[in-house]
Amino acid sequence: QVQLVESGGGVVQPGRSLRLSCAASGFTFSSYGMHWVRQAPGKGLEWVVVISYDGSNKYYADSVKGRFTISRDNSKNTLSLQMNSLRAEDTAVFYCAKDGGFGEAAVFDYWGQGTLVTVSS
Amino acid sequence: SSELTQDPAVSVALGQTVRITCQGDSLRSYYASWYQQKPGQAPVLVIYGKNNRPSGIPDRFSGSSSGNTASLTITGAQAEDEADYYCNCRDSSGNHVVFGGGTKLTVL
Repeated sequence: QVQLVESGGGVVQPGRSLRLSCAASGFTFSSYGMHWVRQAPGKGLEWVVVISYDGSNKYYADSVKGRFTISRDNSKNTLSLQMNSLRAEDTAVFYCAKDGGFGEAAVFDYWGQGTLVTVSS
Repeated sequence: SSELTQDPAVSVALGQTVRITCQGDSLRSYYASWYQQKPGQAPVLVIYGKNNRPSGIPDRFSGSSSGNTASLTITGAQAEDEADYYCNCRDSSGNHVVFGGGTKLTVL
């Protein structure tokens, strides 16, 4: 069965960095795009970034562009999110999500359980 | 980028039918997907494409689309359907993704 397990969340001071990871299993990781989606406490879902199946294409939400970097290691079935210059408004649960591979449709067919990032001094 | 608009809250009597809508210009070009999220849990995909349900999703969930509006319909709502529901689709660029603000469904 498909499993996505995030790790790396925690409390970090404003301006500092944090790296999230997502370990994938149960599917051919190298065949699918992957996303990060975040949810601030008590708020809705916000798409953050997508990486194509081979890592050649990456697209970022304007709110994180230039500060966050997505990457993947298909040999280790691992997705990563390097977050720099963190701000209080980045406080959220971060989910990794598998793209369903339905072409133009944005279909997130599997989600991890999320990891909480708290940016606070 | 585009926006998707959802009603913040909707209620339905147990066993009745409810429709949750999602509006946005991108929906004229792309199908919406729908997600159910219960408190403290990750979202779960319930509808995608024209009207497709992932394995394990009850057939009381269905989707439709017309113009700039996508709809999620629950026919015969159950107590366990009480949750937040989110739509998403690609934005006008085709490279980014946008989520609606979510609809809190209460089953009375």
